[in-house]
Amino acid sequence: EPEVTQTPSHQVTQMGQEVILRCVPISNHLYFYWYRQILGQKVEFLVSFYNNEISEKSEIFDDQFSVERPDGSNFTLKIRSTKLEDSAMYFCASRGTGTSVYEQYFGPGTRLTVT
Amino acid sequence: QKEVEQNSGPLSVPEGAIASLNCTYSDRGSQSFFWYRQYSGKSPELIMSIYSNGDKEDGRFTAQLNKASQYVSLLIRDSQPSDSATYLCAVKDGQNFVFGPGTRLSVLP
Repeated sequence: EPEVTQTPSHQVTQMGQEVILRCVPISNHLYFYWYRQILGQKVEFLVSFYNNEISEKSEIFDDQFSVERPDGSNFTLKIRSTKLEDSAMYFCASRGTGTSVYEQYFGPGTRLTVT
Repeated sequence: QKEVEQNSGPLSVPEGAIASLNCTYSDRGSQSFFWYRQYSGKSPELIMSIYSNGDKEDGRFTAQLNKASQYVSLLIRDSQPSDSATYLCAVKDGQNFVFGPGTRLSVLP
């Protein structure tokens, strides 16, 4: 069964460094998402991406963040100048077309630890 | 800011019982609703989607939607210890999905 994959599973970085989180969405899906979940808190929307551009972004998704689809399969989240409060699980999700067009499928997540 | 509310729990039910999980949402215009299950340290896993008022059944799971009351629920019949997890309610908002804080369910053997 197709699934969303994410790498790395765990990333440790020092404050001020840049990180790139990678995702491979399900192959025939058209909508891609990044979410964040701080430990013990709810899943928070960061950004949605469709047709090679951002379709919506939250207040969290400021100039520190950027997304890119560098090729036909990968979808990346770049976090510049990381802060301690960026420590969280970052989930990628995708959704497709047809009768289940609104059903999102999540990747396993990347745990980002900023020290 | 559109809100999705859930009781945080924990909700404890004995094995074999029916677990009832509730969710309310603030935007009366919302049309699409989802239940996810999230085991500790794992990603959300889609269980059910519901778009129309009434009940939708899938195996041991039944989702119920009442748009007039802005209320969506999830029933789990014959609860098993493996159902112990946090259940997230999500509502589609444009291209965004707003998640509730989740209800932690504990099924006791």
